Amino acid sequence: DAGVTQSPTHLIKTRGQQVTLRCSPKSGHDTVSWYQQALGQGPQFIFQYYEEEERQRGNFPDRFSGHQFPNYSSELNVNALLLGDSALYLCASSPTFTAKNIQYFGAGTRLSVL
Amino acid sequence: SQQGEEDPQALSIQEGENATMNCSYKTSINNLQWYRQNSGRGLVHLILIRSNEREKHSGRLRVTLDTSKKSSSLLITASRAADTASYFCATLNTGTASKLTFGTGTRLQVTL
Repeated sequence: DAGVTQSPTHLIKTRGQQVTLRCSPKSGHDTVSWYQQALGQGPQFIFQYYEEEERQRGNFPDRFSGHQFPNYSSELNVNALLLGDSALYLCASSPTFTAKNIQYFGAGTRLSVL
Repeated sequence: SQQGEEDPQALSIQEGENATMNCSYKTSINNLQWYRQNSGRGLVHLILIRSNEREKHSGRLRVTLDTSKKSSSLLITASRAADTASYFCATLNTGTASKLTFGTGTRLQVTL
C-alpha cells in the first residue's frame, strides 16, 4: 500500500517563474491538504481539496492555486515566484472529513527560488 | 500563522533519558496531535488526544492536555538515538473542519 507520494523531490526556479508540484494521496484517502514549511518553522496550511474543490484556505495569496483530479491526486501551482517562496512543500492526505483528522504526509518537495 | 509556541526549541539528552516537550496553543480545539519529522522530510503522526481527554499513552509516549491552560506536553521515555528528530504539536481547532495548525517545533537530539 503506497503512502503519499510527491514529485519532484527537489526543484530550483528563478524569481518570476511558475511551478507545479504534484501529490498522490494514500490509497483510500480522498482529501488532500498542502502545507508550506519554511526552514526552522512548523508547516503552515495552504489549502485543502475534497471532491475536486478547494474547501479551506490558509493565509496565502492568490499566486498559490491548486487542483484535485477525479482520482484524488492533486497539484499545487505557484505563480510569479518570490524568494520567500523557498520552502519545503508538504502534501498530506486523509479520509473524508473524520473527527480525528489524522493526516498522512508525503516526503515533500523542496523548492528553491533563486 | 503558527498556532503557538513549543518549548524548548531544542533539547539534547543522552540515550536512556526521558525527553519532555511542551506546546501551547491559542484557541479552542477538537483535538491535539503530535508529529515527528526526520531531517526536514515528511511528518509522521505519533499520537492524538481529544479535547475531553487529559492523558494518553502509546508505547514510550505519554501525552497530557490541559485545556484550561491551553497547553500539552509530550514525554518520550527511555529515549533512543533513533528518536532524534523534530517534534511538532498540531491542533484541530473548533470550527475549522479538518485544518491542522502546527506549532514551531522542538528539535530533539539523543546522543549515545
